[in-house]
Amino acid sequence: DVKVTQSSRYLVKRTGEKVFLECVQDMDHENMFWYRQDPGLGLRLIYFSYDVKMKEKGDIPEGYSVSREKKERFSLILESASTNQTSMYLCASSLGLGGDTQYFGPGTRLTVL
Amino acid sequence: GENVEQHPSTLSVQEGDSAVIKCTYSDSASNYFPWYKQELGKRPQLIIDIRSNVGEKKDQRIAVTLNKTAKHFSLHITETQPEDSAVYFCAASIGNNAGNMLTFGGGTRLMVKP
Repeated sequence: DVKVTQSSRYLVKRTGEKVFLECVQDMDHENMFWYRQDPGLGLRLIYFSYDVKMKEKGDIPEGYSVSREKKERFSLILESASTNQTSMYLCASSLGLGGDTQYFGPGTRLTVL
Repeated sequence: GENVEQHPSTLSVQEGDSAVIKCTYSDSASNYFPWYKQELGKRPQLIIDIRSNVGEKKDQRIAVTLNKTAKHFSLHITETQPEDSAVYFCAASIGNNAGNMLTFGGGTRLMVKP
């Protein structure tokens, strides 16, 4: 079974703090994704990576950056957290891109005060 | 880019009834349409998908239909059970082409009343 894990289930940070969310997958998948989930808006893609050190912007990259130094690990960085970044963050991985199953992590619920 | 709209946003049915969730997409080049189920407090998981060379696909009590001309696809759940209660997301993509990601609909909260 594919296993995708995220570093925290719940996180509370203050406005202006730098926040790191980590995701690890154990299936040697090429592709990894970071989504933000908000009620009524579905899953919106923040960034994705199709190879080590490669990254592409998704639909809502503003205020976020990412890092992929190793194939199994994909980090989402909030350079200066703001209250409108309070949300559920989901990581996913897949073998292929659009046409392959994405396997999701359990999610991190981030609250920015 | 691709835009996916999903309806209804909430759906309540009696156990044993059928449930239908509909999605429309904007990019006629999209050719891969998965459905994900997210139970309360859990991660989304793929339950069924369909590619554009197929009009319908079934897996036990769930089925997906695709109308490429009208650019819409639907999820059908028959004989609903309480464990079907969850949020369902549709998505669309231009297959495996690099740079073409999944675009998700807004989700449907299905409640099955025992």
